[in-house]
Amino acid sequence: EVQLVESGGGLIHPGGSLRLSCVASGLTVSSNYMSWVRQAPGKGLEWVSIIYSGGSTYYADSLKGRFTISRDNSKNTLYLQMNSLRDEDTAVYHCARVQLKESRLNGMDVWGQGTTVSV
Amino acid sequence: DIQMTQSPSTLSASVGDRVTITCRASQSIGTWLAWYQQKPGKAPNLLIYKASTLQSGVPSRFSGSGSDTEFTLTISSLQPDDFATYCCQQYEAYPYTFGQGTKLEIK
Repeated sequence: EVQLVESGGGLIHPGGSLRLSCVASGLTVSSNYMSWVRQAPGKGLEWVSIIYSGGSTYYADSLKGRFTISRDNSKNTLYLQMNSLRDEDTAVYHCARVQLKESRLNGMDVWGQGTTVSV
Repeated sequence: DIQMTQSPSTLSASVGDRVTITCRASQSIGTWLAWYQQKPGKAPNLLIYKASTLQSGVPSRFSGSGSDTEFTLTISSLQPDDFATYCCQQYEAYPYTFGQGTKLEIK
């Protein structure tokens, strides 16, 4: 069974840092396109970042410079390093696999249940 | 950034009804659009990608259509399990962006 499990969330003061983890089973993080998506309380989904299988990364404009996506291939784990946290970063953070279908990235088909960050 | 606007924000319907949700993009995105279903406290579930392709395992009562800037998600005959929030997402360009969501409620 394919599964993503996030951890690392918690209560943090403004200006602080957190590193979120997403452990994958049933899929290989390094061979896939992996994203982080967040959802603030009572709000819609907001895309945060993506890392390609080849290592390229992209970010939401508002988060560039504060958030960094990375992975540890030996641990089959995706990370999100979050620095200089602000009140508006309070959200549930989900990791997700972006599926490669018909030679193109085509939606996020596997999601973790999320980890809660409260700033 | 490409803005995605959904309508309506809330939709009341009954089991067996046919419902349609609309998603509009602020610029052309071709057919690079996905639809998700989300239930409270749960992760989103991919229903449709490339505007009209049904994700494996998704019931055929769900369908999507549209291109460029206007898209629709249709549920042909609502089932009790379908009452949830639905959102669209464009992936034509970074940053990916989502619609604000449509909450489908029981009438």
